[in-house]
Amino acid sequence: AQKVTQAQTEISVVEKEDVTLDCVYETRDTTYYLFWYKQPPSGELVFLIRRNSFDEQNEISGRYSWNFQKSTSSFNFTITASQVVDSAVYFCALVIIQGAQKLVFGQGTRLTINP
Amino acid sequence: ETGVTQSPTHLIKTRGQQVTLRCSSQSGHNTVSWYQQALGQGPQFIFQYYREEENGRGNFPPRFSGLQFPNYSSELNVNALELDDSALYLCASSDLAGGLKETQYFGPGTRLLVL
Repeated sequence: AQKVTQAQTEISVVEKEDVTLDCVYETRDTTYYLFWYKQPPSGELVFLIRRNSFDEQNEISGRYSWNFQKSTSSFNFTITASQVVDSAVYFCALVIIQGAQKLVFGQGTRLTINP
Repeated sequence: ETGVTQSPTHLIKTRGQQVTLRCSSQSGHNTVSWYQQALGQGPQFIFQYYREEENGRGNFPPRFSGLQFPNYSSELNVNALELDDSALYLCASSDLAGGLKETQYFGPGTRLLVL
């Protein structure tokens, strides 16, 4: 069965600290895609990144970076020099095809950046 | 290019009533998916509509039903509301032709409270 686990329920750091959000996934598929979404207090899920199972290169986008390791089934997300505006709930998700294209989400990690 | 929109933003109903939530997909997208997000949880897949047909469903009872219109907008209907139906309902649009790699873009959600 496909499953996504985000073991960290809540993280609180002081502004400018680096923070890493963990994501572990389970799937029997050899081809799959993983996603990270951000959910600010307004509620809308904002797409951050998509990664396919064939590409294990780390990716950096500004202060954000992602570390995908197939050997450990992990897709971790790091924010460098965190800012108060980064405060949100972050979700990791795996897409599967069961008739429909379906996102399987983790439980989310609530990140609070304190000034 | 307009994003995904949902209406209403908030709704209060009483147990046993019926509710209709609406979603307009992003320009160029032919697929709409609905998710339910209970407080403190990750979103759960309800169903997906492609070309006006339901093409996949999650573990939700038949009192959750939907429609997709020729312009790709969609409705989610819930009959015989229960207290546990209180949640944030999120709509996402995508292009199913993209398959696994296609990103789902979410609307701002409708917060439903059942009393």
